[in-house]
Amino acid sequence: DIQMTQSPSTLSASVGDRVTITCRASQSISNWLAWYQQKPGKAPKLLIYKASSLEGGVPSRFSGSGSGTEFTLTISSLQPDDLATYYCQQHNTYPFTFGPGTKVDVK
Amino acid sequence: QVQLQESGPGLVKPSETLSLTCTVSGASVRSGSYYWSWIRQPPGKALEWMGHIYYSASTNYKPSLESRITISLDRSRNQFSLELTSVTAADTAVYYCARDVGRAGYFDYWGQGTLVTVSS
Repeated sequence: DIQMTQSPSTLSASVGDRVTITCRASQSISNWLAWYQQKPGKAPKLLIYKASSLEGGVPSRFSGSGSGTEFTLTISSLQPDDLATYYCQQHNTYPFTFGPGTKVDVK
Repeated sequence: QVQLQESGPGLVKPSETLSLTCTVSGASVRSGSYYWSWIRQPPGKALEWMGHIYYSASTNYKPSLESRITISLDRSRNQFSLELTSVTAADTAVYYCARDVGRAGYFDYWGQGTLVTVSS
């Protein structure tokens, strides 16, 4: 299985801050990477697919980049509604695998 | 609007079979554009993709679950189902059904999730 890691595991930031989360794959996955936002008690919500494609309806402050084994999710200006855990997921190879998550809280 | 809804028992005894159904509305499980997945999340832990099924009934499973898992399709009811045999406490989790986009393998619609506890 392709192993996914994320850093940091937790992140505290202020409203308006630029926030970056890193995801790494244990082998190249080209650009087959998705990002999800999960709020407590809720199902994950798709934010980004194919590394940098923004899902419809997702605010433009979210962006994704990267290819191969290293990827980033950036929130350009953190909002209170962004308090959540963020997961990356490779969709290159079976079995699909998720990262361990990055919890973002607002200072 | 596409909606998915999981249903099934919230408590299963060890060594028994976990059975869940996902009812889809606003989309058809007969569509060749999508796969239909099961994903689980143990309390406080990360997400784990379990497997998926295509409209043709072809399946792909996570290898570590392959001996215990079956995903099936009911086209007439627009549903798909999960069976997981010989469950243990390690199978306690919130189980989500989700739609994955064609052969791309990312999940654009999810059910709300259902907690299944394995306990005697």
